[in-house]
This record gives sequence, C-alpha cells and structure tokens, in this order.
Amino acid sequence: GNSVTQMEGPVTLSEEAFLTINCTYTATGYPSLFWYVQYPGEGLQLLLKATKADDKGSNKGFEATYRKETTSFHLEKGSVQVSDSAVYFCALNNAGNNRKLIWGLGTSLAVNP
Amino acid sequence: DGGITQSPKYLFRKEGQNVTLSCEQNLNHDAMYWYRQDPGQGLRLIYYSQIVNDFQKGDIAEGYSVSREKKESFPLTVTSAQKNPTAFYLCASSFLQGATNEKLFFGSGTQLSVL
Repeated sequence: GNSVTQMEGPVTLSEEAFLTINCTYTATGYPSLFWYVQYPGEGLQLLLKATKADDKGSNKGFEATYRKETTSFHLEKGSVQVSDSAVYFCALNNAGNNRKLIWGLGTSLAVNP
Repeated sequence: DGGITQSPKYLFRKEGQNVTLSCEQNLNHDAMYWYRQDPGQGLRLIYYSQIVNDFQKGDIAEGYSVSREKKESFPLTVTSAQKNPTAFYLCASSFLQGATNEKLFFGSGTQLSVL
C-alpha cells in the first residue's frame, strides 16, 4: 500500500543553518507529493508540491525534488530563519481524491537565533 | 478574503457532554474534511464530505458525527461516546476535480480539552 516516512524530530538548528528534512514514500504508479507547514497554534498550509518525477517544488526558499529512483521528496532550505520554526508534513496523493491523502507524522523544527 | 473559519479556538467538554465544532468555508469548495491531530501521530481523517447531504467515515469516525446541510458548512459533533476527545481538530476543504495534485486548505483549528 501507500505510505510516507519522515525523519523524526525535533530538529534544532541555529539561524542561517542548512536544513534537510527527509521524506521517503512507498506507492504504485505516479503519486503527487506535497510538503505542508504548520506554524504554532495554526492549521496547515501548503508549502510546495511536485506532480511527476524530477519535478522540483519551491516556495519561500524551500525546495524539494521528486526522486522516483530513490522514492524520496526531501525538503531543503539553504539558510533557515527563526520564523521557519514549525512542524513540517510530507504527504502523498495517489488516488485523485484527497480523502486518500497519506500523511507523514510530521517533523518539528526549532530555529534558534 | 476567502478561507476556512473554525470556531471556537478552544473548547472544553465535561464528561457525558456532546460538543460541536464549527467549520465554515467561502471558497466554493465541494469537498470538506475533519482531521484529528495528536502529538506525534500526525493527521487522522475523521469524516469526509464530497457533496451536500452526503458524507463518509474516515479512519477514526467512532464517537463523532457530522452533517453537511449547506455547501459552506461542515460541523463536527464530538459525542460522549468518544472516550479520549482531547486533541487538536482541523477542518479542511478542497476542489474535487479528480486530480492527484489538488491541495487542501485548512482552518486554524480547535483545541478540545476535557474538564
């Protein structure tokens, strides 16, 4: 079946450090992949997405590349800020229906000044 | 501005009591969802609705009920049968176009606690 595995948190970084949050998936066919972000006390919002192999999603300095050969969609940012402190969720949709969206468990990021 | 509004932000339930969480959207989305979020467990789908007057159970529907009388509204009732209701509840909505790349729009959540 379909599944998403994220690296466990919490991840703690200093401001301006490089960020990688690993996400790997299991799926048949050609799913779409997403990163959502949840700031403290809020709902989730879409950060970026990719819909086919080798696509790169990017937003707010974050990037993730859809790697079919390694079944991965790792989130990266070259220089994190305190305002990036949040929980990041990787997700997969293989069914054309958001009722079937598969979520990772989330990775908490804390950025210290 | 278009969006999803959840209320209240904080809610307290006494034992044996039913409580209702409100979710309203003005995005003209067909599909609406309720998720439960517990620390370290990610998001779990409670109920889902694609169209007015129709809804389906998600993965953890026991102890919850919903209605969809209007396209804009999808209230969730946490009944007394739900023995562990303390969690952060998130409402979401989306278009329903049958594509895998359709994104979800979320409300800001309701934190439910038991007194």
